[in-house]
Amino acid sequence: QVQLQESGPGLVKPSETLSLTCTVSGASISSYCWGWVRQPPGLGLEWIGYIYYGGSTNYNPSLKNRVTISEDTSKNQFSLKLTSVTAADTAVYYCARHTGVATKIDYWGQGTLVTVSS
Amino acid sequence: QLVLTQSPSASASLGASVRLTCTLSSGHSSYAIAWHQRQPEKGPRYLMKLNSDGSHIRGDGIPDRFSGSSSGAERYLTISSLQSEDEADYYCQTWGTGIQVFGGGTKLTVL
Repeated sequence: QVQLQESGPGLVKPSETLSLTCTVSGASISSYCWGWVRQPPGLGLEWIGYIYYGGSTNYNPSLKNRVTISEDTSKNQFSLKLTSVTAADTAVYYCARHTGVATKIDYWGQGTLVTVSS
Repeated sequence: QLVLTQSPSASASLGASVRLTCTLSSGHSSYAIAWHQRQPEKGPRYLMKLNSDGSHIRGDGIPDRFSGSSSGAERYLTISSLQSEDEADYYCQTWGTGIQVFGGGTKLTVL
């Protein structure tokens, strides 16, 4: 049974960096493709990016300048950093597994709400 | 540009069937999609991958009350024998080289 669990601060100040970690069990992050999706309040899902095959990444062009996704294979975790946040970055953040590069998501985390506010 | 369009809301009665639609943008009618369900206060759950020919593969543990079909650029999710726990938001997802796209979601109300 594949399980993903997000963790990190629930409150971030404007202009600071949002940092989240996803801990994976039941699968190795050295296989598949692992990513982040967010959902602002009242809005739909927005793809952020993913990491695969030893550290290669793809990011949403609208966020590319502010996003970094990295992995720690020793802990079977991957992480999201989003810099220079504003209130528009307030959202529920989900980590997810893709079955391969440029394919569907087949497992999701429960999500974690991150609020950007001073 | 790769875009998915969904109706914002749908409703159907307990025990009935409902069909939700996801429409691919012009020039992308051959694309496969995935359907996901997000119940209140829960993370999304993968339901199935749906191909342009209507063939589909359900995710682990997804009951056969959930089925998919396709016609041209439209991708459908049909839920039969509606249960109260089917009241949720339903999202379609597709993908291309280096990108992932989600539809805006359909909120399903079970009456």
